Amino acid sequence: DQQVKQNSPSLSVQEGRISILNCDYTNSMFDYFLWYKKYPAEGPTFLISISSIKDKNEDGRFTVFLNKSAKHLSLHIVPSQPGDSAVYFCAVYGTSYGKLTFGQGTILTVHP
Amino acid sequence: DAGITQSPRHKVTETGTPVTLRCHQTENHRYMYWYRQDPGHGLRLIHYSYGVKDTDKGEVSDGYSVSRSKTEDFLLTLESATSSQTSVYFCAIGDVKDTQYFGPGTRLTVL
Repeated sequence: DQQVKQNSPSLSVQEGRISILNCDYTNSMFDYFLWYKKYPAEGPTFLISISSIKDKNEDGRFTVFLNKSAKHLSLHIVPSQPGDSAVYFCAVYGTSYGKLTFGQGTILTVHP
Repeated sequence: DAGITQSPRHKVTETGTPVTLRCHQTENHRYMYWYRQDPGHGLRLIHYSYGVKDTDKGEVSDGYSVSRSKTEDFLLTLESATSSQTSVYFCAIGDVKDTQYFGPGTRLTVL
């Protein structure tokens, strides 16, 4: 019973273009939604988050969008850079659960 | 860096042997977590701790036990390793439950 799904295992984008990573969740009770980035042989690092009371949060080239009615979360990277090539995990947090639940991850490759 | 280390970084062991992984933090964070990362499954929570001697199970806790006798150390033990426990293990720490900082990982291979 996966509560968080990233349906695209991989995404390939040209440098300078937009990268859009998607995430779907099943439970409307989640309070916070996060994106983590992971390079090979390293631990995941926190990238950006959004609370359930907002629908958009921006930090430089990274913007997270939350569509609560569709239970859908997306991360936009504009413009994409080769250094953005990594695995991206979405994660959800619910106060009643007290734990983070992660999606399966999407491998982003940005070509020069 | 969040001041979190894991040891060992790599380990190869045989089925049936006990294995202990260590997570050490210098940040004095209250919460500590153990995850495993497997292809197609993302990061799955094994066990977590919300204080010294206070631990609880995650979604994939079978075959694993944990201990936290000091704030800075969180140990993950596989009492009798199986091939299905071959994975990359990550420790994470945090002061609030929704923001976690991850260690560099331990790659465990069970033959």
